[in-house]
Amino acid sequence: GIQVEQSPPDLILQEGANSTLRCNFSDSVNNLQWFHQNPWGQLINLFYIPSGTKQNGRLSATTVATERYSLLYISSSQTTDSGVYFCAVGLPNFGNEKLTFGTGTRLTIIP
Amino acid sequence: EAGVTQSPTHLIKTRGQQATLRCSPISGHTSVYWYQQALGLGLQFLLWYDEGEERNRGNFPPRFSGRQFPNYSSELNVNALELEDSALYLCASSWDRSSEAFFGQGTRLTVV
Repeated sequence: GIQVEQSPPDLILQEGANSTLRCNFSDSVNNLQWFHQNPWGQLINLFYIPSGTKQNGRLSATTVATERYSLLYISSSQTTDSGVYFCAVGLPNFGNEKLTFGTGTRLTIIP
Repeated sequence: EAGVTQSPTHLIKTRGQQATLRCSPISGHTSVYWYQQALGLGLQFLLWYDEGEERNRGNFPPRFSGRQFPNYSSELNVNALELEDSALYLCASSWDRSSEAFFGQGTRLTVV
């Protein structure tokens, strides 16, 4: 099956710092989403980005499908950004029932 | 607009009992998905319902079952609970299987 790897696994930053999270996948995908899992377990949608670049406030994401990777940028980090960030990919000819989640990046923002 | 809602938030059951988890999708979404997030195992696909029918299931035993009601809400039933069923169960919904999926806050099931 498809492999989805995220890096780094853990990241500790001072408030105000910028960060880049990476998601590599081993096969073609037709769907890619970024989520933030808060301390209570809820997965919060950040981006639906099978290709291209999107921005939402301090967050932006870029997916280069031909090179099989996606990047999530967080600028001017705040303590509320802490949590685990997951990318999830969907395979061609399948939908959300076959979302494969990456291993996650645990981000800790220190005040 | 309300997001995906799940109930209960927490559930504690004894080994061998049955657990019922509930999910209400975003209004207008017909597809509902159930995922299990066990400690150290990541998110694993459990079940997919669409238009009242089970469309696909993941690699889980038959004691994991569910249904989707006419209003598109869904129920996940886990029979003969085992200790390793302890996990966070997440429900998601989408317009169709290819569109963006939105997740609920989850039900944390603890089997003792």
